[in-house]
Amino acid sequence: EVQLVESGGGLVQPGRSLRLSCTGSGFTFGDYAMSWCRQAPGKGLEWIGFIRSRLYGGTTEYAASVKGRFTISRDDSTSIAYLQMNSLKTEDTAVYFCTRNWGPPYYFDYWGQGTLVTVSS
Amino acid sequence: EIVMTQSPATLSVSPGERATLSCRASQSVGSNLAWYQQKPGQAPRLLIYGAFTRATGIPARFSGSGSGTEFTLTISSLQSEDFAVYYCQQYNNWPPLTFGGGTKVEIK
Repeated sequence: EVQLVESGGGLVQPGRSLRLSCTGSGFTFGDYAMSWCRQAPGKGLEWIGFIRSRLYGGTTEYAASVKGRFTISRDDSTSIAYLQMNSLKTEDTAVYFCTRNWGPPYYFDYWGQGTLVTVSS
Repeated sequence: EIVMTQSPATLSVSPGERATLSCRASQSVGSNLAWYQQKPGQAPRLLIYGAFTRATGIPARFSGSGSGTEFTLTISSLQSEDFAVYYCQQYNNWPPLTFGGGTKVEIK
């Protein structure tokens, strides 16, 4: 059974940093691109970035709203994807979901349960 | 950036009735369109990919159609567990991968 479990969320002050983790199991983690998506309270879904599998170079793509502030990385030896979030803003408050990508081209075939990040002073 | 527009924002339907949800893309996405279902407090779940292919374990009452810029998700006979928010997502032109704003299907 494919499972994705996020961790690392919490309350953080504006301007500070936070790192989220996503641990995958039940599949060969290194064979898949992994994305992070988020959902602000009461709002819709927003894709924020993905990291390709090693087969496709392990490179990253980001949404304009987070480019330059957020970094996605992966450790295939431990089946973990990371989201490093720097210079956090109040508008980054959201539930952050880790997803497994099918493709390219990419849609999201499995989702984690999400972790809440609250940016507030 | 491809903008995805879903309509209506809210759809009130009685159990057993048919629900038809629309998704429009600002430019052609071919058949690279997915649909997701999200229930309160839960993660989204993939329903449809490739515009019309049901994901594993998705009941046959869910069907997708369309190509290019106009897409439809149809739920043929709504069950109690189908009341949720539905999102479309294009994966033809990226970055960014983009979602529609969602359609909430509520009990009439």
